[in-house]
Amino acid sequence: KQEVTQIPAALSVPEGENLVLNCSFTDSAIYNLQWFRQDPGKGLTSLLLIQSSQREQTSGRLNASLDKSSGRSTLYIAASQPGDSATYLCAPRSMDSSYKLIFGSGTRLLVRP
Amino acid sequence: GAGVSQSPSNKVTEKGKDVELRCDPISGHTALYWYRQSLGQGLEFLIYFQGNSAPDKSGLPSDRFSAERTGGSVSTLTIQRTQQEDSAVYLCASSTQGSHNEKLFFGSGTQLSVL
Repeated sequence: KQEVTQIPAALSVPEGENLVLNCSFTDSAIYNLQWFRQDPGKGLTSLLLIQSSQREQTSGRLNASLDKSSGRSTLYIAASQPGDSATYLCAPRSMDSSYKLIFGSGTRLLVRP
Repeated sequence: GAGVSQSPSNKVTEKGKDVELRCDPISGHTALYWYRQSLGQGLEFLIYFQGNSAPDKSGLPSDRFSAERTGGSVSTLTIQRTQQEDSAVYLCASSTQGSHNEKLFFGSGTQLSVL
């Protein structure tokens, strides 16, 4: 059964810092991994989807890496801004239940002006 | 529509009452998912619909929970005889065909509070 852990659970940084959010998963047999952001009282917004055959995926200031064999993914946010404040969730898509995304508990990020 | 729409956005009910939560997926999306997010916990899979196939109900926590999808579009999640532990945010998502390579698009959720 896939289990997903995200570290740290919470993070507070001053504006402008580069930061790394970590995601680890126990079952490396995955199709892909998706990173989401969730704003308070809102649903999830997909940020990046990285396929199992890829090592990295980039969108603007965001870069996601994937090391499937070691069960790890990182989300790198460059030059953080207060608008980046949100909860970030990772969700690998396992091969044994391809439509059930298994979510981590998320990292709550606060970027201070 | 432009995105996944859920209603109501907030629902307060008394213990023992039945509630219905509605999800209107993105037009043309054949795959629809319901998740539950309890306070301080991750998202929990509830049920999955794909086209005309039988839904995967394996995530429903008890027989008080049921869901249907009419005409392959709008879905309704029904909770009978609500309990306080049912309090959570109920999130609906849709994707184009349910392929494992697709992104999921989520609605804003229904915040359910059972008093």
